[in-house]
Amino acid sequence: DSGVTQTPKHLITATGQRVTLRCSPRSGDLSVYWYQQSLDQGLQFLIQYYNGEERAKGNILERFSAQQFPDLHSELNLSSLELGDSALYFCASSVAGQPYQPQHFGDGTRLSIL
Amino acid sequence: KNEVEQSPQNLTAQEGEFITINCSYSVGISALHWLQQHPGGGIVSLFMLSSGKKKHGRLIATINIQEKHSSLHITASHPRDSAVYICAVALNYGGSQGNLIFGKGTKLSVKP
Repeated sequence: DSGVTQTPKHLITATGQRVTLRCSPRSGDLSVYWYQQSLDQGLQFLIQYYNGEERAKGNILERFSAQQFPDLHSELNLSSLELGDSALYFCASSVAGQPYQPQHFGDGTRLSIL
Repeated sequence: KNEVEQSPQNLTAQEGEFITINCSYSVGISALHWLQQHPGGGIVSLFMLSSGKKKHGRLIATINIQEKHSSLHITASHPRDSAVYICAVALNYGGSQGNLIFGKGTKLSVKP
C-alpha cells in the first residue's frame, strides 16, 4: 500500500461531459503529480502541485485543470470529454517534489468515454 | 527519438531464469526510477537511484551515469514477477521539478 488514495477507481461517462478525479497524497507528502496513461501515448506527465501551488506543467490540455487544496488533496478536472481522453489517470506524491525524491503512486482511475 | 528507451519490449522467461531489462536515456537526469505495473493497472515504485547499485530481495538495479544506462535484474524469476516494468527519469535542468519521463515499458511473462 503506497498510502496514496485515488477515487473513483473506475469512471464511465459520455463525450462532452465533465468529471473530477480525486487524489489524497501519502501522509506527510506535500507534492502531488498527475500522470495520464493511454494505449498510444504511454505514461505522460500532466501537472504538479506543491503545497497548494502549481509547480510544473506538462502535456495537459486546456480542457483539463487541477488544483491542490489546503488539506493537500488534489483534484483533476476533465471537461468537454472526447473519446481520446479514455485512459488511466495516476496520481503520485512525494515529500517535497524534488527530482531526487521517490514518488508513491496511487492505484489510478480508469476513465472510459463512450 | 524517445528520451527514454527500454529493451526488450517483451520478454518471456521460464521460472528460475535470471532476467535483465535495459534502459537508456539521452538527457541529463537527477534520478532514475524503476516501476512495476501489474495487469490490474496499479504502479509500484521498485527503485530510485542516481548512482551505483541497489538491491531489494531478488531485484537488483544498476545505473551507469557516464553511459546513460540502467539495468534491472531479477534473480530466480517467478510467475508472480510477471508484470510490465517501466523505466522513468527525473530531469536535471533548471525548471525541472521532479516530474518523470517514462519509457514504454517491458512486458515480462514468467512461465512455470
